[in-house]
Amino acid sequence: DAKTTQPPSMDCAEGRAANLPCNHSTISGNEYVYWYRQIHSQGPQYIIHGLKNNETNEMASLIITEDRKSSTLILPHATLRDTAVYYCIVSPANTGNQFYFGTGTSLTVIP
Amino acid sequence: DVKVTQSSRYLVKRTGEKVFLECVQDMDHENMFWYRQDPGLGLRLIYFSYDVKMKEKGDIPEGYSVSREKKERFSLILESASTNQTSMYLCASSSEGIGDTEAFFGQGTRLTVV
Repeated sequence: DAKTTQPPSMDCAEGRAANLPCNHSTISGNEYVYWYRQIHSQGPQYIIHGLKNNETNEMASLIITEDRKSSTLILPHATLRDTAVYYCIVSPANTGNQFYFGTGTSLTVIP
Repeated sequence: DVKVTQSSRYLVKRTGEKVFLECVQDMDHENMFWYRQDPGLGLRLIYFSYDVKMKEKGDIPEGYSVSREKKERFSLILESASTNQTSMYLCASSSEGIGDTEAFFGQGTRLTVV
């Protein structure tokens, strides 16, 4: 079973920030939060991950609440190429990184 | 450039055929995974492997088997293909680690069983 809850779809105007929420209320203390995205007809692509602290890379920022029960992926200046399905995943604490994907959020960036 | 390569982008097979889906990674990763993706259901884990000759069942292993004879290659086998196995199949790999490594995915194989 997926351990995260995401809205099924969102729209965002081109050039604006896209904020994608994720609930993971049953997350364990040593589980990481990962974000992937999947552009149509391609395999999923890694975006960012974090444990407790907020993280930023060249693609996005990840904000994790203090209680770690939810997080937000921020695409600071969305472009049309960011239109994709975004998956929030909690990685189990045991070895092997079995990524359990849910159905994600379908983000549409509107010109 | 790191790469996970799946042998076919599109396949059409007949019901009852034995089907092999091949996946090769060039990153010397220990872990490899097979998922299937269906509309409205997201990605579901079929099998995974932590090491050569090792395999573990995922959420939906029924009707599938896997083989990992070499570290870089992970094969998904449909012993007797059925129409309900028509799907997009995705292979992934990751390095050994406890919750702190990313997975790299192939481009997927769209299998149609007729």
